[in-house]
Order: sequence, then structure tokens, then C-alpha cells
Amino acid sequence: QSVLTQPPSVSGAPGQRVTISCTGSSSNIGARYDVHWYQQLPGTAPKLLIYGNSNRPSGVPDRFSGSKSGTSASLAITGLQAEDEADYYCQSYDSRLSGSVFGGGTKLTVL
Amino acid sequence: EVQLVQSGAEVKKPGESLKISCKGSGYTFTRSWIGWVRQMPGKGLEWMGIIYPGDSDTRYSPSFQGQVTISADKSISTAYLQWSRLKASDTAMYYCARLEGIATHFDYWGQGTLVTVSS
Repeated sequence: QSVLTQPPSVSGAPGQRVTISCTGSSSNIGARYDVHWYQQLPGTAPKLLIYGNSNRPSGVPDRFSGSKSGTSASLAITGLQAEDEADYYCQSYDSRLSGSVFGGGTKLTVL
Repeated sequence: EVQLVQSGAEVKKPGESLKISCKGSGYTFTRSWIGWVRQMPGKGLEWMGIIYPGDSDTRYSPSFQGQVTISADKSISTAYLQWSRLKASDTAMYYCARLEGIATHFDYWGQGTLVTVSS
């Protein structure tokens, strides 16, 4: 089991909005460590999508947004497109493990 | 342009040793951390450990401590991940990625190195 918990899968129709949750604890997200999100398209390396809870790297569409509250964080995708079909991972630092941890990943299916 | 270029796919037998590499370019190699991430077939990402090439400060995930060795040669801007005795369970894709600080995000990723361990 991952230290950060994500739903295994989410789905939505084109144009819809979906959210992916990432639940941690007092030793990671709740300890005010930042949460970051990655998108992994099939057969490719992960790509940074959101860093520092809510910041988008250059080139990432503003359809992607991140938020954090308490011991949880969320990734929201609006105006869903077929090309968004991918695996999404959250990441944060864990003080108890003295290292970073990833969520188990969420597979997004665009219906 | 920041780039991380990893060595090619490997096929090894159980018990053999292996060292894979990750060469950085387009930035000051000694001023950022390099991390290694494992992805077993059909599974999620696992943070293995990180190294700061400037002084070789290395941190390991408890899950990988003692199982692998992370090193770097700053003279050629290259980080390494090595095994002394491979097991079938080491079969996975391994990614290197850059991060600015111990608790920060991975901003650039290598293309991945597929390691297959089979008798």
C-alpha cells in the first residue's frame, strides 16, 4: 500500500470535469510538504503537471489545476479531452521516511 | 535545454551485477539532485533514492536501502544506479529525474531504462 492514497481509476466524458484525490497523513501532506502531480501517457516517462500544490510548469494547459487542504490534495481537469487519458500520480515528502513518496496512481479514462 | 539521457535496455540473469547510467546536460549538474524511480510492469512509481552530485550526498528510501547503490561522476555529469546481485523481482523500468531540493518535485525526466532479469 502506498503512503499517499489515490483512487485506482476515474472516468469522464469529453468536456467534463474530473478530480483526482491524494490522501496523506500528518507526516507528509499534513506536515505542510508540497504536493506535486505527474501525468504518464502510455509507454512514456512521467511528466511534471503541477508542482508546489497548484503551480503549472510552462506549457501545461490551464485546464489542469491543483489544490491542497489539510492532509489531502486534489488534481482537477476541466474540459476533458481524449489526449488526457493517462495515469496520474501525486508525490510529496514524508518526514517519517525521510524521503519522497508517490501515490499509487490513478488511471483516467475518457469515455 | 535540460536533458537526462539514460543508458539502453538490459537483459540480465539472476545473480548478475548491473550499473545503469543517466547523463545530464543543459544545466549545472553539480547544483541539482538526481533521483531514481522504479516502475514495475503494470505498476506505479516508486521513489528509490536521490544523490547530490556536488558532494555525493545520497539518500535512500527504506525500501531500497541496501538493495541498490546510487552514485555519480560529476566530471562527466552522469549518475548511476547499480545492483550487485540482480533478482527476477528487479525487472522494471527505471527512470532518473532531476530535482532542485530533497523535498521538491522532479522537473525533468530521463526516457527510462528497461531492466529485465530472467534465467
